[in-house]
Amino acid sequence: DAGVIQSPRHEVTEMGQEVTLRCKPISGHDYLFWYRQTMMRGLELLIYFNNNVPIDDSGMPEDRFSAKMPNASFSTLKIQPSEPRDSAVYFCASSPGLAGGVNEQFFGPGTRLTVL
Amino acid sequence: EDQVTQSPEALRLQEGESSSLNCSYTVSGLRGLFWYRQDPGKGPEFLFTLYSAGEEKEKERLKATLTKKESFLHITAPKPEDSATYLCAGFSGTYKYIFGTGTRLKVLA
Repeated sequence: DAGVIQSPRHEVTEMGQEVTLRCKPISGHDYLFWYRQTMMRGLELLIYFNNNVPIDDSGMPEDRFSAKMPNASFSTLKIQPSEPRDSAVYFCASSPGLAGGVNEQFFGPGTRLTVL
Repeated sequence: EDQVTQSPEALRLQEGESSSLNCSYTVSGLRGLFWYRQDPGKGPEFLFTLYSAGEEKEKERLKATLTKKESFLHITAPKPEDSATYLCAGFSGTYKYIFGTGTRLKVLA
């Protein structure tokens, strides 16, 4: 398997523009996670899905952020409008399931977002 | 509030100099404690899951242990290729993942 695939790997945009990050999870994984990582705050969970349904979006910072999972092989994280403080590395991860309530996650390579 | 705190923030070791990384947690209804390794420019890579106090797991030069309040990642005779950031995460009873900010490890040849 190719692992979790994210695109683009790098994105530079100007404040106020819409940004869309994309993720393809590992085939057969039921859970998909979106994270944001910064030096100041470390790794933060934004939202996660189970079988394409959002389960916990309490980490989504504000209404400018939205995430969708239209099918089992694709998810998007959208920021509209973008702000300089959104600059970070965004990771997507997938998990084969929460058997017994616990399971490891497999992370993608990340998208480095810079908002000027 | 659920919280995971890692220490030290950064650690420099000589090759072969064993040490431990600490992960202190207050996570309600802890279902599991994870350790990940992250190399620069890459996503975290899974190392271990610990489920209950007293449990230990090993992989090459790494051994993870868990108590009711903290977890340790012991590194025995480290090599330069062990240099990375090590992340600890708790999975709570309410199905939330809480990550620490990591320990940056540098092993000098």
